[in-house]
Amino acid sequence: NAGVTQTPKFQVLKTGQSMTLQCAQDMNHNSMYWYRQDPGMGLRLIYYSASEGTTDKGEVPNGYNVSRLNKREFSLRLESAAPSQTSVYFCASSAGTGAGEQYFGPGTRLTVT
Amino acid sequence: GENVEQHPSTLSVQEGDSAVIKCTYSDSASNYFPWYKQELGKRPQLIIDIRSNVGEKKDQRIAVTLNKTAKHFSLHITETQPEDSAVYFCAASAGKSTFGDGTTLTVKP
Repeated sequence: NAGVTQTPKFQVLKTGQSMTLQCAQDMNHNSMYWYRQDPGMGLRLIYYSASEGTTDKGEVPNGYNVSRLNKREFSLRLESAAPSQTSVYFCASSAGTGAGEQYFGPGTRLTVT
Repeated sequence: GENVEQHPSTLSVQEGDSAVIKCTYSDSASNYFPWYKQELGKRPQLIIDIRSNVGEKKDQRIAVTLNKTAKHFSLHITETQPEDSAVYFCAASAGKSTFGDGTTLTVKP
């Protein structure tokens, strides 16, 4: 089992460019999440998908969109990147929302210049 | 929404000493409280969790306590080792998880 995988691992964008971060899990989990991690600020939830076909905003959704493509895949799109979106992005999955371990991907380090 | 505060932000101990990290939460509906360890450049990984119907849970050198009345929970690491050095995050969940800002633990040999 690969667990949770993310692509790319690193990305540099210019302000205004767009890109999609890909995430996939092979654990048959229902719920998937996107977080951003900034120095000294922990993990902040951007969007989550409680189950296939549903998505909901988290704490910091502005500037992002998501797509739950199927049960395995959950993508995060930046339509017009801004320097404030420079961060490390983690995808995670869990069997369900609420009381259960989240399994994290290896992260994507994004720099917007 | 839920608000989770974590203290201290940094903690330095000598090898063999104990370390305690504390978190408070605001939403009384939260019923699941995990702790994650993140080593430098790696992904967060669950080390222990506790549910709201339990007051304490132990796993070898790691323990977590929960006080629902006071809305706080703590991570206790005994007999610390250099490999315990990492960033530790608490979280509180009432559906989706809200994370604390993390504690950087350094264990000096």
